[in-house]
Amino acid sequence: EIVLTQSPGFQSVTPKEKVTITCRASQSIGTSLHWYQQKSDQSPKLLIKFASRSISGVPSRFSGSGSGTDFTLTINGLEAEDAATYYCHQSSNFPYTFGPGTKLEIK
Amino acid sequence: QLQLQESGSGLVKPSQTLSLTCTVSGGSINSGAYSWTWIRQPPGKGLEWIGYIYHGGSTYYNPSLKSRVTISVDTSKNQFSLKLGSMTAADTAVYYCAREPAGMGHFDDWGQGTLVTVSS
Repeated sequence: EIVLTQSPGFQSVTPKEKVTITCRASQSIGTSLHWYQQKSDQSPKLLIKFASRSISGVPSRFSGSGSGTDFTLTINGLEAEDAATYYCHQSSNFPYTFGPGTKLEIK
Repeated sequence: QLQLQESGSGLVKPSQTLSLTCTVSGGSINSGAYSWTWIRQPPGKGLEWIGYIYHGGSTYYNPSLKSRVTISVDTSKNQFSLKLGSMTAADTAVYYCAREPAGMGHFDDWGQGTLVTVSS
């Protein structure tokens, strides 16, 4: 099973700040890495697919990069509505697995 | 606009079997373009992929749950279902159904989730 680790686990940030969340895989997964946003008491929402491919309707301030074992989700110009937990997810190998999440708190 | 809606037992006794259904509206579950997936999230914790069913009925389950899980589809009702046997407190979670573009690996549509509590 591929294990995903995320850092940081928690971050308190101010609006307009640039935020970087990293996800590391226990083995190479190419670009089979996807990012989700989960707001409080809501279901997850797909933000980025295949490491860097944008999703229709997702604000352009969200971007992804990386391949192999190291991946990054970047939020350029954080907004108050971005308060949420962010999860990475790999689909390179079964079983699909998720990272433990990064919780963003807006100051 | 595709919608997925979970329904089923919210309270299950230990050792019993959980039964949940996901009703798909706004699209056909019989399309070969998608796989239909169950994912769960214990309270305050992360996400765990349970398994999926694909067009034609082929399934794939998380090995950690495989001995207890069955996912099936009812195309006449545009629904797919989850059965999880031998429930324990560790199975208490919000259960989500979701759609995966076939072979793509990501989940582009999710249900709102339903909380299942295991308690006597």
